[in-house]
Amino acid sequence: DTAVSQTPKYLVTQMGNDKSIKCEQNLGHDTMYWYKQDSKKFLKIMFSYNNKELIINETVPNRFSPKSPDKAHLNLHINSLELGDSAVYFCASSQGMETETQYFGPGTRLLVL
Amino acid sequence: AQSVTQLGSHVSVSEGALVLLRCNYSSSVPPYLFWYVQYPNQGLQLLLKYTSAATLVKGINGFEAEFKKSETSFHLTKPSAHMSDAAEYFCAVSPTGGGNKLTFGTGTQLKVEL
Repeated sequence: DTAVSQTPKYLVTQMGNDKSIKCEQNLGHDTMYWYKQDSKKFLKIMFSYNNKELIINETVPNRFSPKSPDKAHLNLHINSLELGDSAVYFCASSQGMETETQYFGPGTRLLVL
Repeated sequence: AQSVTQLGSHVSVSEGALVLLRCNYSSSVPPYLFWYVQYPNQGLQLLLKYTSAATLVKGINGFEAEFKKSETSFHLTKPSAHMSDAAEYFCAVSPTGGGNKLTFGTGTQLKVEL
């Protein structure tokens, strides 16, 4: 009964490729997020969606495009992958947008060669 | 812009000893504050949060934190460390009315020794 799941868990690819990471939550939450954790474990928010509407869009290259087909899913598509995109990407969800707890997925470890 | 600073990227304690992980925030108004824990190769899990109610907040696994406005601090403590507490701990801040946008500190790796 995984609350927030991500696929794939590991992703190894070549520079210049396009890849997608999928996220699903079964908590009935209406807000979902993408975070990037770099090699020094620094976590930074990338995007947030509320009821399928983009509400937070940090200074992320436009090679990154999130897509929310419904409230339970938030996918991340990355075009023209670069070495610097290597990181762990975490999906999270919460009910509401203020102080509600964010529940994190297990992460997707992306390595760009 | 809001930020948090975690003093000490690595903290080592003996099993049974007091755990103290430091977090200071920077904000023009008191924000919401959170502590998350990350076990190896896992996602983050909320330990506790301060949302402008009681200043002493109790969380899971015996952890607690006290919000001190005068010191702009939100330090995490646990009276007696257990081996299972070894993990990475992140302090985070979210602005009031800011849409739950978490800004994380750089993390503190807690090591528990026998």
